[in-house]
Amino acid sequence: QVQLVQSGSELKKPGASVKVSCKASGYTFTSYAMNWVRQAPGQGLEWMGWINTNTGNPTYAQGFTGRFVFSLDTSVSTAYLQISSLKAEDTAVYYCARNEGYDSWWYFDLWGRGTLVTVSS
Amino acid sequence: DIQMTQSPSSLSASVGDRVTITCRASQSISRYLNWYQQKPGKAPKLLMYAASSLQSGVPSRFSGSGSGTDFTFTISSLQPEDFATYYCQQSYSTPWFTFGPGTKVDIK
Repeated sequence: QVQLVQSGSELKKPGASVKVSCKASGYTFTSYAMNWVRQAPGQGLEWMGWINTNTGNPTYAQGFTGRFVFSLDTSVSTAYLQISSLKAEDTAVYYCARNEGYDSWWYFDLWGRGTLVTVSS
Repeated sequence: DIQMTQSPSSLSASVGDRVTITCRASQSISRYLNWYQQKPGKAPKLLMYAASSLQSGVPSRFSGSGSGTDFTFTISSLQPEDFATYYCQQSYSTPWFTFGPGTKVDIK
């Protein structure tokens, strides 16, 4: 079954770090780039960036540089999002989403269910 | 950066209604425009890509059109399961993607 399975909800204190995982199954992990998308409570979708699953090269959107790190473990077909120095405003659901398409005809055809990260003292 | 806007931000409609949502890009994006549906507490779902191509398995009551800066998403006959929030997304500026702010469709 083609799917992305994300890790469970996290409750963290301000200043802590969190690492969210996204495990792919049912397809060749390195054939598709992986995106990360943030959705704050009651808000819209915000594209955070993506990672080339062949090279491990990440691309970060504006506003997601410095504290946000995308990484991979291709041996277990898993992408990771690590957020350091957590702030209350990082409270959100974080989705991984697979890139499908070619040239600029890209779209996100497969999504994880999302991981809720709550930052609170 | 390419900015995306959607109108309306929300609308109320009845089952059977024809619903139209507009998405506008801050510069021409050709037809590099996708549409997603999101229901509360669920992940987004791809409905349409390349402005007017229906994703496999998506009902034909959904359609899209447009090119350049102005795009339209239409539900020809609204069904109970269509009440959701709809987002447009541009992929013209790959590897940079941008979502629109969303349009919430709820029950009148």
